[in-house]
Amino acid sequence: KAGVTQTPRYLIKTRGQQVTLSCSPISGHRSVSWYQQTPGQGLQFLFEYFSETQRNKGNFPGRFSGRQFSNSRSEMNVSTLELGDSALYLCASSETGTHNEKLFFGSGTQLSVL
Amino acid sequence: DQQVKQNSPSLSVQEGRISILNCDYTNSMFDYFLWYKKYPAEGPTFLISISSIKDKNEDGRFTVFLNKSAKHLSLHIVPSQPGDSAVYFCAATGGTYKYIFGTGTRLKVLA
Repeated sequence: KAGVTQTPRYLIKTRGQQVTLSCSPISGHRSVSWYQQTPGQGLQFLFEYFSETQRNKGNFPGRFSGRQFSNSRSEMNVSTLELGDSALYLCASSETGTHNEKLFFGSGTQLSVL
Repeated sequence: DQQVKQNSPSLSVQEGRISILNCDYTNSMFDYFLWYKKYPAEGPTFLISISSIKDKNEDGRFTVFLNKSAKHLSLHIVPSQPGDSAVYFCAATGGTYKYIFGTGTRLKVLA
């Protein structure tokens, strides 16, 4: 089975722009979660989607949004980028998203905001 | 507030010795704990987990210990190998909480 695929691997944007990141989960996995990793902050939960519905949301401003398609692929959007949005964005998938399921992560998208 | 804490940002250990990585949590609702390992330029990969009904889980060189009364878990790696050099994240789930991660500990195993 192919793993979780995230595109693009690297992105450079300027303040005020918007960005869309893409995630293809493992085949058969219906839950997709997004995390932001910054130095010293660990992995901060952004949101989780299951069957095209946002099921959980972390403590991030409304500039961060996402969606999930019928094939379980997910996109994350950040509007009006700020310097502090520079981070590694990780996508993870699991079969049903129950709380004790293992997460399988992609390699991430490294976003730099200049 | 950080509900899952890894107070040691880094740790260096000689090859062949034991590595002990620690994690503390504050929320009594957490009932399942996991450790993930992350190499540079890769996503985290699952290492080992433990349910709150247990106090120890072992998988090869990796053992996780859970002390519920102290709200503390630790990961032991014996013997440590240079390939174990990575960042280790502990994570907790339970109740309405989905995967709260710690800030990570960078382990360096010296040859």
